[in-house]
Amino acid sequence: ILNVEQSPQSLHVQEGDSTNFTCSFPSSNFYALHWYRWETAKSPEALFVMTLNGDEKKKGRISATLNTKEGYSYLYIKGSQPEDSATYLCARGGLRNNDMRFGAGTRLTVKP
Amino acid sequence: EAQVTQNPRYLITVTGKKLTVTCSQNMNHEYMSWYRQDPGLGLRQIYYSMNVEVTDKGDVPEGYKVSRKEKRNFPLILESPSPNQTSLYFCASSFTAQGEQYFGPGTRLTVT
Repeated sequence: ILNVEQSPQSLHVQEGDSTNFTCSFPSSNFYALHWYRWETAKSPEALFVMTLNGDEKKKGRISATLNTKEGYSYLYIKGSQPEDSATYLCARGGLRNNDMRFGAGTRLTVKP
Repeated sequence: EAQVTQNPRYLITVTGKKLTVTCSQNMNHEYMSWYRQDPGLGLRQIYYSMNVEVTDKGDVPEGYKVSRKEKRNFPLILESPSPNQTSLYFCASSFTAQGEQYFGPGTRLTVT
């Protein structure tokens, strides 16, 4: 089984802080890296899908980078807001059709 | 509205009583998956389907069955549920094999 690891498991920051977390994954047979945002009592929602080494994606205050050679991705949140509080999941897609392996997530709490 | 629906949302049942959790999507997606979410673990893929009548096992298929007779529907069947199948279940669909996944609202299953 190929493990996707996320760190830290949880993070508490103050409103306005910038933060980042890590997703590490096996680089062999890699096809795509997904980030999802999962709010309590809701469903995970896609933030980014990245496939190429060096990819950088941005959506508002959230951005992500991808290094497929060393097997890691970073998610950055600039100027965290309380509404950013959620669990952030990453998932590695392999070459086999629809093969998706998720990490356990990083739970972010932003205090006003 | 583009969406993935699941029913029921909550279910409490007893060991051995066959049950089906339905999943339907209205986005004409070819790819659909079932995941289970357990505390401390990432989403784990149970089964996935690449198209009508085409399904394959994920990481944790034991004790589950699926079928894909129509493109929009992908039911999850537990022939003889056991307490270790108590979990939160998500259905998801995507347009391409490694495209962003659209998740249903989740089904919380308790097997006593």
